[in-house]
Amino acid sequence: QVQLVESGGGLVKPGGSLRLSCAASGFTFSDYYMTWIRQAPGKGLEWVSYINNRGSTIYYADSVKGRFTISRDNAKYSLSLQMNSLRAEDTAVYYCARDAWGSASYWGQGTLVTVSS
Amino acid sequence: QSVLTQPPSVSAAPGQKVTISCSGSSSNIGNNYVSWFQQLPGTAPKVLIYDNNKRPSGIPDRFSGSKSGTSATLGITGLQTGDEAEYYCGAWDSSLSVYVFGTGTKVTAL
Repeated sequence: QVQLVESGGGLVKPGGSLRLSCAASGFTFSDYYMTWIRQAPGKGLEWVSYINNRGSTIYYADSVKGRFTISRDNAKYSLSLQMNSLRAEDTAVYYCARDAWGSASYWGQGTLVTVSS
Repeated sequence: QSVLTQPPSVSAAPGQKVTISCSGSSSNIGNNYVSWFQQLPGTAPKVLIYDNNKRPSGIPDRFSGSKSGTSATLGITGLQTGDEAEYYCGAWDSSLSVYVFGTGTKVTAL
């Protein structure tokens, strides 16, 4: 069955870095675009980043551009999000999602990132 | 970066129908597909509607979607207590090259 398992969240100080990972299984990872979407506590959904199936097309939200880097390893069925220069407003649950808004959509359960001193 | 506007809440008695509006612009809803997401309390969101009006397998036909111009609507018929959740619309924004979500609507079965 399809599984997306996020890891790497935790508590980090402002200005610090964190790397999130998403382990995929149960489907052909290289067939799908992947996205990171976050949700601040008690707030709505915010799209963070998109990467196409081959990793050749990448987009970022303005709020993270220049600080976050999305990448994927199709051989390892893995998606990553390198987050640098973290700010308090980056505090959120981060979801990785396959085909996030399409017919084959599947979202992980999320990992919590807390940026606080 | 919510540029899609939804009402904060809607409610109806069980068995009744509710509709949720989603207002955008020509760069997002007007020229791209709309999806609708349901987020039950404490869970990850899931897609209810994609490509404006299509339902993924397993989504009951009580849920429907439509689009007209720069607005979209989600309809829920035969409202159930299990439908109480937050609902979001979403669409790609061609001008910004970002995906935008709506502000979210809380549905309550009175």
